[in-house]
Amino acid sequence: QLQLQESGPGLVKPSETLSLTCTVSGASVSNSHYFWGWIRQPPGKGLEWIATIYYSGSTYYNPSLKSRVTISRDTSKNQFSLKLTSVTVADTAVYYCASPDASLWIDYWGQGTLVTVSS
Amino acid sequence: DIQMTQSPSSVSASVGDRVTITCRASQGIANWLAWYQQRPGKAPKLLITAASTLQSGVPSRFSGGGSGTEFTLTISSLQPEDFATYYCQQAKGFPQTFGGGTKVEIK
Repeated sequence: QLQLQESGPGLVKPSETLSLTCTVSGASVSNSHYFWGWIRQPPGKGLEWIATIYYSGSTYYNPSLKSRVTISRDTSKNQFSLKLTSVTVADTAVYYCASPDASLWIDYWGQGTLVTVSS
Repeated sequence: DIQMTQSPSSVSASVGDRVTITCRASQGIANWLAWYQQRPGKAPKLLITAASTLQSGVPSRFSGGGSGTEFTLTISSLQPEDFATYYCQQAKGFPQTFGGGTKVEIK
């Protein structure tokens, strides 16, 4: 059974970089059957897709965030990560790591981690 | 980008009621649509894929329909555990986009 767990700071200062890691268990991040991604949800609001990385290493980004976002994976640690630069209060959200299938249906989710941007 | 618009944004209903939620895409997406249920403080749960395919373990009172630009999620007889927020998501391509959500509340 695939399991995902987010980790990273819960508080980030404005203009700094938000860094989160998702630890994967039950599958390899280099397995061709799995894709990996990040989705966020501001408090009381809806879901926003951020980025996806394929098993091959190909990456896809939300155009509205593309200039500030990097998704990557570490096969030696079986993890994938998110970096979001120059954060503002608008980036305050619960960040979910997720694993969509080949059709991009998101059938596995982490529990989510709240990141607050505040000085 | 493909915009997804859900209606209503909230609905009040009683146990046993039939509830239908609509999701409209700004351009045709064939049947590349999923529905998710999100309970407070929890991650979303995948309910339906390909517009109408119920995921394993999802009760049969949930059903999905539609294709192209208009889709529906119907709960035939609302149960206490169904009070939650529901989101549609298009998967025709990147960027993936979600509807704004429909909160199903107890009347």
